[in-house]
Amino acid sequence: DTAVSQTPKYLVTQMGNDKSIKCEQNLGHDTMYWYKQDSKKFLKIMFSYNNKELIINETVPNRFSPKSPDKAHLNLHINSLELGDSAVYFCASSHGTGGADLVSQYFGPGTRLTVT
Amino acid sequence: DQQVKQNSPSLSVQEGRISILNCDYTNSMFDYFLWYKKYPAEGPTFLISISSIKDKNEDGRFTVFLNKSAKHLSLHIVPSQPGDSAVYFCAASEDAGNNRKLIWGLGTSLAVNP
Repeated sequence: DTAVSQTPKYLVTQMGNDKSIKCEQNLGHDTMYWYKQDSKKFLKIMFSYNNKELIINETVPNRFSPKSPDKAHLNLHINSLELGDSAVYFCASSHGTGGADLVSQYFGPGTRLTVT
Repeated sequence: DQQVKQNSPSLSVQEGRISILNCDYTNSMFDYFLWYKKYPAEGPTFLISISSIKDKNEDGRFTVFLNKSAKHLSLHIVPSQPGDSAVYFCAASEDAGNNRKLIWGLGTSLAVNP
């Protein structure tokens, strides 16, 4: 039983292309997140959605557009891919956004994006 | 500007000994601290947390200590086991209403040798 799943696991594409990463959680959580882990292993939040509503939007280029069709899904679409977008992208979910809820943030296995 | 710092990129200990992983932070408004563990090709998994109103939290072999005056926390693993070999991330959060989020350190890679 996969709690948080991401597809694809690996994605290799050329600069300028548009790509999407999908995320699904079957935990009944209300909040979902996208994180980026760069080459320096720095894990940084990009977006979070609560009940399909955007609540955190960090300083991310507007080429990145999250879409939440329902509470169980949060997809990430990236336009005009650049070399610097190469990273591992993690999806996560939690019950809410309170302090105790952060404890139960469940992560997907990650999507390794390589832009050539 | 890194608000959460893990200054040791790696640590190696013998099986059965104590592992001590350290984390420093700069933001005095952080009120919740967490440790996550990450195996290769997997996402981070929650390990243990501590609220700023406490100075110690224990869960089995894992204990987290918080020293607010020094803005320092540490994770102790006793006894260390080979299965504990992983990257350990320290993360912190401050109360920002609905916008509460985790700020992460760069991680410490722990190797427990049999």
